[in-house]
Amino acid sequence: AQKITQTQPGMFVQEKEAVTLDCTYDTSDPSYGLFWYKQPSSGEMIFLIYQGSYDQQNATEGRYSLNFQKARKSANLVISASQLGDSAMYFCAMREGAQKLVFGQGTRLTINP
Amino acid sequence: NAGVTQTPKFQVLKTGQSMTLQCAQDMNHEYMSWYRQDPGMGLRLIHYSVGAGITDQGEVPNGYNVSRSTTEDFPLRLLSAAPSQTSVYFCASGLGPSYEQYFGPGTRLTVT
Repeated sequence: AQKITQTQPGMFVQEKEAVTLDCTYDTSDPSYGLFWYKQPSSGEMIFLIYQGSYDQQNATEGRYSLNFQKARKSANLVISASQLGDSAMYFCAMREGAQKLVFGQGTRLTINP
Repeated sequence: NAGVTQTPKFQVLKTGQSMTLQCAQDMNHEYMSWYRQDPGMGLRLIHYSVGAGITDQGEVPNGYNVSRSTTEDFPLRLLSAAPSQTSVYFCASGLGPSYEQYFGPGTRLTVT
């Protein structure tokens, strides 16, 4: 069964608009963590943001915020004021159990000028 | 600090050959892991380690071996390469799985 689902294979957004990338997860463990990573065309993996399951507030890092809706098991990434350099693949990931990370299939974001 | 380094960057193997992908980190991280990335599949965990001498299987361990004799190094061995192992391989390290993972630049492996 898919643990992390990213339903948007690709998204196209105009520069300066906000964008929301969807991520839903499946776990019965009350303690878990959710991550977002960015992979530009150069191939490296860049950590963006982390949300723990017990965190009361949504995580934010600069232009990135995580819209954490625990009851719906969703952890959407919101990028405010998108820039051309935001064009990349974006992966949602979850710590499964105590020691493993599981990644979603990714969303390819394209920012149009 | 070099962070996480991987060698080689590119490799072509023939079916049946064996090889070792090297991974090293200089951040004193206990947690290290190997992933493979295939188009449309995201990253899939092959093996991971929570410290020297301790390794365990991930989602897709078949055909791969690992060992962790030091905190710094976590090599991945392909025992008998198959075309299905054509992929991009990433090594990562972190304080633990609940922390940011630092990824290496990746190794692009082709098996013919």
